[in-house]
Amino acid sequence: AQSVTQLDSQVPVFEEAPVELRCNYSSSVSVYLFWYVQYPNQGLQLLLKYLSGSTLVESINGFEAEFNKSQTSFHLRKPSVHISDTAEYFCAVSDPGNAGKSTFGDGTTLTVKP
Amino acid sequence: DTAVSQTPKYLVTQMGNDKSIKCEQNLGHDTMYWYKQDSKKFLKIMFSYNNKELIINETVPNRFSPKSPDKAHLNLHINSLELGDSAVYFCASSQGTGGIDGYTFGSGTRLTVV
Repeated sequence: AQSVTQLDSQVPVFEEAPVELRCNYSSSVSVYLFWYVQYPNQGLQLLLKYLSGSTLVESINGFEAEFNKSQTSFHLRKPSVHISDTAEYFCAVSDPGNAGKSTFGDGTTLTVKP
Repeated sequence: DTAVSQTPKYLVTQMGNDKSIKCEQNLGHDTMYWYKQDSKKFLKIMFSYNNKELIINETVPNRFSPKSPDKAHLNLHINSLELGDSAVYFCASSQGTGGIDGYTFGSGTRLTVV
């Protein structure tokens, strides 16, 4: 079985400040790791993923996440946020041996204030 | 050109009714999923189909019945609707069954049972 814990339910920050959204996971097998973003009244969109190799992965809009195997973490970071980054962020793990079933964390609401 | 489309977007119905939600993907993906997002934004997998074959069937009341006429479509039929069924239902798709590419989500169907 696998589980995901997002350590912060809400993260308020000011525009242009750095932000970190924390995600820890638990699994008895190797998993793939993902971050998704959900804007109001929309579906989830894949932000970035870690499958193997370099532990630092980046998205096209300035977010990055680092896989830490010893701490079983996959924290999401951005050095300078914009108002448009306000959204719900979900961390997820996918078990390739279980039909790609993804388990999601409870989400973190990122609110960027002017 | 929407990749994963769900209809209807909103559904308001009375307790005891039967309703269906339709999902279609034009990405050529092999696997489709239904997820339920509750009022606290918690996402839980319900079903998954790979090439019309059921591969994930979580603990869901048997009032919920998925149907996949072909690999591009996955519909969800709900009998005898209850107040607790009120939620946003998301359809998603992925290439293969390993979840390696993550999911592409539809924009959701907000079901309100009154």
